[in-house]
Amino acid sequence: GQQVMQIPQYQHVQEGEDFTTYCNSSTTLSNIQWYKQRPGGHPVFLIQLVKSGEVKKQKRLTFQFGEAKKNSSLHITATQTTDVGTYFCAYNTDKLIFGTGTRLQVFP
Amino acid sequence: NAGVTQTPKFQVLKTGQSMTLQCAQDMNHNSMYWYRQDPGMGLRLIYYSASEGTTDKGEVPNGYNVSRLNKREFSLRLESAAPSQTSVYFCASIRLTSGDTYTQYFGPGTRLTVL
Repeated sequence: GQQVMQIPQYQHVQEGEDFTTYCNSSTTLSNIQWYKQRPGGHPVFLIQLVKSGEVKKQKRLTFQFGEAKKNSSLHITATQTTDVGTYFCAYNTDKLIFGTGTRLQVFP
Repeated sequence: NAGVTQTPKFQVLKTGQSMTLQCAQDMNHNSMYWYRQDPGMGLRLIYYSASEGTTDKGEVPNGYNVSRLNKREFSLRLESAAPSQTSVYFCASIRLTSGDTYTQYFGPGTRLTVL
């Protein structure tokens, strides 16, 4: 079946630095979703991308879907300590399959 | 409007014991899911129910059974718990907003330890 890998697995940044996580698929995806999970919490839906080359922004977060719809990225500008957590990509067919996640740690 | 609720929040079992994890949603969603999340890992789909009356296996269904009791409730049963089933279990439901847009809502999770 389809495999969705995320890189990096972990990222430690100083507050104010930028952060990017990448989601890569071996096959074309119909859509991609992004979730954030705070430590000890549950995943929270952030956004869904469906169009080739689509770019969406939420304040300091920028989400991109690749032209070939095989990869996606989440970029956070000027990280804050509130950005700490694990970021997951996921794709939906008749069920939702999650990527491996990137754990972000932000040092003040 | 409570969203997705799960009970219990915590549970400790001995190997071989059985238990049922309960999940309910009050958002009138058709699709419901059960995931497990092991420490430091991503979410793996156990079972899902696309609509009332239907259930399908996910990535890791072995050792589990599910029941979609009605549109609101989707339970997960461990018939004979094993230490490998120690995990955090999340229930979720999906709302189709418009076109191809979905939003998935997660419950708070059940932390299960099998000794």
